Amino acid sequence: AQSVAQPEDQVNVAEGNPLTVKCTYSVSGNPYLFWYVQYPNRGLQFLLKYITGDNLVKGSYGFEAEFNKSQTSFHLKKPSALVSDSALYFCAVGVYNFNKFYFGSGTKLNVKP
Amino acid sequence: DVKVTQSSRYLVKRTGEKVFLECVQDMDHENMFWYRQDPGLGLRLIYFSYDVKMKEKGDIPEGYSVSREKKERFSLILESASTNQTSMYLCASSLASPSTDTQYFGPGTRLTVL
Repeated sequence: AQSVAQPEDQVNVAEGNPLTVKCTYSVSGNPYLFWYVQYPNRGLQFLLKYITGDNLVKGSYGFEAEFNKSQTSFHLKKPSALVSDSALYFCAVGVYNFNKFYFGSGTKLNVKP
Repeated sequence: DVKVTQSSRYLVKRTGEKVFLECVQDMDHENMFWYRQDPGLGLRLIYFSYDVKMKEKGDIPEGYSVSREKKERFSLILESASTNQTSMYLCASSLASPSTDTQYFGPGTRLTVL
């Protein structure tokens, strides 16, 4: 069975510090990995995706994610957090020839001034 | 830029009413999706459509139906709304593959059933 886990319901970080939001996955086949961000009462916005190639993927708003095949992880990172990064973050995985994404349960990121 | 719009941001309905949620995308995408989002449960797929008049059940189709008469429009129908269908409903679209192409989301409809 395909699945995605976001082990932390909430991550707290001080503004200016680096942030990491964790994601691990379990799929049969090559994963297509995505990160989305959701601001309050809004839809999901696409941040970045990994298909193949370089394990470090750069995305919108200074975010990046590192694909680690051996640990089946795709953690979202940012070198210096902003208060405006506070939001709900979702990891998703797709596998070719399946008919949907598998979403994690979401991680709430709180960035304190 | 892909634009996905949803007919209402907020909706309040009574138990037993028939409810229509509409979604329109402007990028000629093949696939369209309806999700519901509840705290602690993440996103759950209700239905998706891979072509006009074609649909497939997702994880939680009970109590819902869908309609896709035109490529750009995908409607979610609650035949007889119940209080447990109070939720945030999100529509999305993707270009060709439902599992590997980026999905683009609308702003969501927050439905309250009284």
